[in-house]
Amino acid sequence: QVQLVESGGGVVQPGRSLRLSCAASGFTFSSHGMHWVRQAPGKGLEWVAVIWYDGSNKYYADSVNGRFTISRDNSKNTVYLQMNSLRAEDTAVYYCVRWGNWKIFDYWGQGTLVTVSA
Amino acid sequence: DIVMTQTPLSSPVTLGQPASISCRSSQSLVHSDGNTYLSWLHQRPGQPPRLLIYKISNRFSGVPDRFSGSGAGTDFTLKISRVEAEDVGIYYCTQATQFPWTFGQGTKVEIK
Repeated sequence: QVQLVESGGGVVQPGRSLRLSCAASGFTFSSHGMHWVRQAPGKGLEWVAVIWYDGSNKYYADSVNGRFTISRDNSKNTVYLQMNSLRAEDTAVYYCVRWGNWKIFDYWGQGTLVTVSA
Repeated sequence: DIVMTQTPLSSPVTLGQPASISCRSSQSLVHSDGNTYLSWLHQRPGQPPRLLIYKISNRFSGVPDRFSGSGAGTDFTLKISRVEAEDVGIYYCTQATQFPWTFGQGTKVEIK
């Protein structure tokens, strides 16, 4: 079965960096695009970034563009989110999401909490 | 960006009774390829979202048939024919027709 396991979250000071990882299993990772979607405490969902199945294209939300970088290693079945210059408003649970056929967010990880606080 | 607006924001329902959630987009969600990339997600308390419906009306794998989706263009509806206790939580509509992908603000379904 499809499994997505995020890691790397934690408490970080404003302006610092953090790298999230998402280990995938149960499907052919190199055939699927992958997204990061976040959810601030008590709030709704916000799309963050996407990477194509082969890493050829990457797109970002305006709110993180220039600060966050998505990447992947298909030999390790892992997608990453490098987050630099973190702000308090980046505090959220970050979900790794598979991009399925028909442009759908079809499988979600359990999420990893990032807290940006002094 | 396409704005997704859901109504109501909160829906107290009686077990066994139907429920309905509306989602309106600020622009047509018909893609140039002819498809409409409107999906519905369900998030139980403390859990990640899970996919219920894609392309307006297609139930995802394992989703009970009491869930149905309908609509076209800019107006869409999720219906639960008979609400069960496990259906509580927040429901989100989301569009993938136009970058960036956007979500509705969520509708909380709770049992009366």
